Amino acid sequence: AQTVTQSQPEMSVQEAETVTLSCTYDTSESDYYLFWYKQPPSRQMILVIRQEAYKQQNATENRFSVNFQKAAKSFSLKISDSQLGDAAMYFCAYRSRYHNSNSGYALNFGKGTSLLVTP
Amino acid sequence: DSGVTQTPKHLITATGQRVTLRCSPRSGDLSVYWYQQSLDQGLQFLIQYYNGEERAKGNILERFSAQQFPDLHSELNLSSLELGDSALYFCASSERDGLYEQYFGPGTRLTVL
Repeated sequence: AQTVTQSQPEMSVQEAETVTLSCTYDTSESDYYLFWYKQPPSRQMILVIRQEAYKQQNATENRFSVNFQKAAKSFSLKISDSQLGDAAMYFCAYRSRYHNSNSGYALNFGKGTSLLVTP
Repeated sequence: DSGVTQTPKHLITATGQRVTLRCSPRSGDLSVYWYQQSLDQGLQFLIQYYNGEERAKGNILERFSAQQFPDLHSELNLSSLELGDSALYFCASSERDGLYEQYFGPGTRLTVL
């Protein structure tokens, strides 16, 4: 089974600054998807960004961008110009591109990183 | 708002009881997924349905079962509840069988006393 590791239980950033959240994963597959989800205090899971493993270009969504290093199996999330509303738990998730009998297209999540944004 | 709805928002029950959690996917989505989020286990995949058929099973206990109905809504049934079943249960949906992003509902908070 694929494992996802987020080594930073907590991170802190000042408003308007930039912060990077780390994620590593373990897989023997060559084609897959990676995601970052945000969970604010409301507990809603919100999709932040998606990266396809076959794409060399790093995904970007407004202030959110990723640094995808396929050989190193690393997938970090960079948040630029941090805002108070960015404070949340951030989860990295892995999903196989192809269906398999064990887990289908299920998302495998890391344990999460709690991001605190200070004024 | 993701477009995925879950009811109820909160559920408090006693050990040994049975409960049903309900999920309506986004309009047009055929695939439904159930996840459990607890403090000790984190976010874990339980089961996936696609257009009424079971597609994949994760760490779902035998006391738990699910189904997806012809109108595509899904129900997760939890029986013989134990204290350790207290968790946040999420439903997610995607347009087709896995090749698209999963959008999560607001979750059902289950408390077993």
